[in-house]
Amino acid sequence: GQQVMQIPQYQHVQEGEDFTTYCNSSTTLSNIQWYKQRPGGHPVFLIQLVKSGEVKKQKRLTFQFGEAKKNSSLHITATQTTDVGTYFCAGGAQKLVFGQGTRLTINP
Amino acid sequence: GAVVSQHPSRVICKSGTSVKIECRSLDFQATTMFWYRQFPKQSLMLMATSNEGSKATYEQGVEKDKFLINHASLTLSTLTVTSAHPEDSSFYICSASGQGSYGYTFGSGTRLTVV
Repeated sequence: GQQVMQIPQYQHVQEGEDFTTYCNSSTTLSNIQWYKQRPGGHPVFLIQLVKSGEVKKQKRLTFQFGEAKKNSSLHITATQTTDVGTYFCAGGAQKLVFGQGTRLTINP
Repeated sequence: GAVVSQHPSRVICKSGTSVKIECRSLDFQATTMFWYRQFPKQSLMLMATSNEGSKATYEQGVEKDKFLINHASLTLSTLTVTSAHPEDSSFYICSASGQGSYGYTFGSGTRLTVV
């Protein structure tokens, strides 16, 4: 079945440093979604990418969808303590398959 | 925006009893509901997908007789964990999609502890 792999599993940065998480799918995706889950919370939808090569920005967050629609990345510029949490990518047409998530911790 | 209300948020039950978890879409019609479980520091594992008015589709390895799913209306889906055992202790989360929602809207989750 479809698999979505995400790296790294953990990332610890100093506040102000950049952060990137990468997502790879074993199959071509119709779309990819990104979610953020704060410690003790539930996943919150961030964005959906649909087009090949698409790039979307939300303030300090930049999301990319690969040309082959099999990989994606989330980049955060100048991290802040409020960015702490686990970031999940998820893809699939009929149902979402989640990556393992990247847990971001920040040293203030 | 779209909101999914999930109850209860926490439940502790005795081994052998059943627990019902409810998910309601408050401001949109949830044509499809998904149920996930999440173990500590792990990803979300899809358990089943349900469409309003039809039987749920379970993922491989998920016992349909143990995890009963009902999606009787466009705003309500329930997951019943029957004859719960300590290994069923987990974080259960629903998500919904439908007209009026963008992406998948997640409930706030239910932390089940079976003692």
